[in-house]
Amino acid sequence: AQSVSQHNHHVILSEAASLELGCNYSYGGTVNLFWYVQYPGQHLQLLLKYFSGDPLVKGIKGFEAEFIKSKFSFNLRKPSVQWSDTAEYFCAVNPMDSNYQLIWGAGTKLIIKP
Amino acid sequence: GAGVSQSPRYKVAKRGQDVALRCDPISGHVSLFWYQQALGQGPEFLTYFQNEAQLDKSGLPSDRFFAERPEGSVSTLKIQRTQQEDSAVYLCASSLTGKSRWGQFFGPGTRLTVL
Repeated sequence: AQSVSQHNHHVILSEAASLELGCNYSYGGTVNLFWYVQYPGQHLQLLLKYFSGDPLVKGIKGFEAEFIKSKFSFNLRKPSVQWSDTAEYFCAVNPMDSNYQLIWGAGTKLIIKP
Repeated sequence: GAGVSQSPRYKVAKRGQDVALRCDPISGHVSLFWYQQALGQGPEFLTYFQNEAQLDKSGLPSDRFFAERPEGSVSTLKIQRTQQEDSAVYLCASSLTGKSRWGQFFGPGTRLTVL
């Protein structure tokens, strides 16, 4: 069965530290890839997405993600985090043989210490 | 409103009660999705509508779960004879087209607690 793995369930960093959240998926075909963020008390919001082309995609608030097809990975990065980045981050995969289906990781809770 | 709205935001039900959860998608959005999110997990797909047609209900966990979208806009998720394992956040999402590659827009969710 198709699945998405997020390696860390909880990450605690200090402000200005660099961030990398891992995401791996199991699906052999072409995929669209997403990172969503859920700030405390708010709904899920799209952070960035990858369809095709440049495997390094840039999203809102200084986040970026790199698609490495050979590793089935789509890791999220930010060079210098801020306290306001405290949130839960979800990776999701849309297999191209399904127009609509999104398969979700379990999420990573990120806490930034001021 | 500009976003997806859901009501109620919180629902407490006694085991065996029926509940109805409402979703108002973004106006003009063709596709509507329901997800169930258990504590510490990502969203799990329940069902998908394209306009008023329910094209996929493979994620509904039992025949106690029923969803409808009769006029292709507002949707209701109904759970009959609620059980404790139904306790979760129920998320609704909509998208402009039938393709999720453009992303799905989420509502705030309904937190259901079954006692």
